[in-house]
Amino acid sequence: AQSVTQLDSQVPVFEEAPVELRCNYSSSVSVYLFWYVQYPNQGLQLLLKYLSGSTLVKGINGFEAEFNKSQTSFHLRKPSVHISDTAEYFCAVIEMDSSYKLIFGSGTRLLVRP
Amino acid sequence: KAGVTQTPRYLIKTRGQQVTLSCSPISGHRSVSWYQQTPGQGLQFLFEYFSETQRNKGNFPGRFSGRQFSNSRSEMNVSTLELGDSALYLCASSFRGDGTEAFFGQGTRLTVV
Repeated sequence: AQSVTQLDSQVPVFEEAPVELRCNYSSSVSVYLFWYVQYPNQGLQLLLKYLSGSTLVKGINGFEAEFNKSQTSFHLRKPSVHISDTAEYFCAVIEMDSSYKLIFGSGTRLLVRP
Repeated sequence: KAGVTQTPRYLIKTRGQQVTLSCSPISGHRSVSWYQQTPGQGLQFLFEYFSETQRNKGNFPGRFSGRQFSNSRSEMNVSTLELGDSALYLCASSFRGDGTEAFFGQGTRLTVV
């Protein structure tokens, strides 16, 4: 069965430091990969996605992620975080089997401290 | 262009009652999906509609149902509410219908007392 694992439930980091949020997935078919961000009392906003092509994808707000097929990972990185990046981050996949549904990880809370 | 609109934003219901939540997708989007978000179970897929047809349904009891109208607006209904139905219900719309470009609404916070 398909699953998405976010290894860290919370990641504290100081402002202007780099950060990496980890995501691994398992699936018997090929997948599309996504990172979403959720601010308090808000819906989800798409940060970036990997559909095909270059394995390094760049998104909004200076975030990027790298798809590693052999390790079934899609880790999210930012070289220098800001206080405003404090939020919940969700990794998700869509299986290429016409299921049309996002399968989400459990989320990682990024806490940026001054 | 207006985003995905969910109404109401907050709702308090009593156990045993039923509730209907509404989602208006971005203009031109024909696919609408619903998700339930709880602290314990996280984000879980409820169902997806495309041009008024339900194409996929998640693993939820039959008390959860939905529909989509000809103008792509969608409603979901939960009957015989249980305390465990308390959650943030999120709606997402997309143009292509393959889920790769989903735009989410702000959600409806349902509290069952």
